[in-house]
Amino acid sequence: DIQMTQSPSSLSASVGDRVTITCRASQSISKYLNWYQQKPGKAPKLLIYVATTLQSGVPSRFSGSGSGTDFTLTITSLQPEDFATYYCQQSYTPPRTFGPGTKLDIQ
Amino acid sequence: EVQLVESGGGLVQPGGSLRLSCVASGFTFSSYWMHWVRQAPGKGLVWVSRINSGGSDTNYADSVRGRFTISRDNAKNTLYLQMNSLRAEDTAVYYCVRDWYYQDTSGYHNFFDYWGQGTLVTVSS
Repeated sequence: DIQMTQSPSSLSASVGDRVTITCRASQSISKYLNWYQQKPGKAPKLLIYVATTLQSGVPSRFSGSGSGTDFTLTITSLQPEDFATYYCQQSYTPPRTFGPGTKLDIQ
Repeated sequence: EVQLVESGGGLVQPGGSLRLSCVASGFTFSSYWMHWVRQAPGKGLVWVSRINSGGSDTNYADSVRGRFTISRDNAKNTLYLQMNSLRAEDTAVYYCVRDWYYQDTSGYHNFFDYWGQGTLVTVSS
């Protein structure tokens, strides 16, 4: 199975900050990488697919980059509703493994 | 509006069985692959099982293979997960998830575009 790692595991930031979350795959996955956001007590929500494509309705302050093994999720100008846990997921080959998550909370 | 509504969770003893259901609405259920994804309390997301649109092909995580069975009834727009020989480590919120894809020159890029609200399964004596 492809192993996904994320860094940092947690992150404190303030409203208006720019933050970057990193995801790394144990082997090359081209651009087969998705990002999800999960708020406490809620189901995850798709943010980005194919590493860089924003899901419909997702604010443009979210962006994704990368290919191969290294990927990033960037949020510019953090808003209060962005404080959540973020997961990456590879869809290169089954099983579609998730990263362990990065918890973003308010500083 | 796409909706996925899970039910069937609850408290069960180790070794017991439970069947989860997920009723879909707002889209042509029979056209989509579907999955179950679980999340243990305070932990991350773990893919459990997948079924193709017609129900003829299934796939399972190693941790549940031989104990769980995914199925669907397209006439009823319903996805199921039959869980047998339950263990404490199966305790989790189980999400019903729709699979969609984006196609480009490199192939099909799949992603989970809609999730249900989840149903909690607790395995404990």
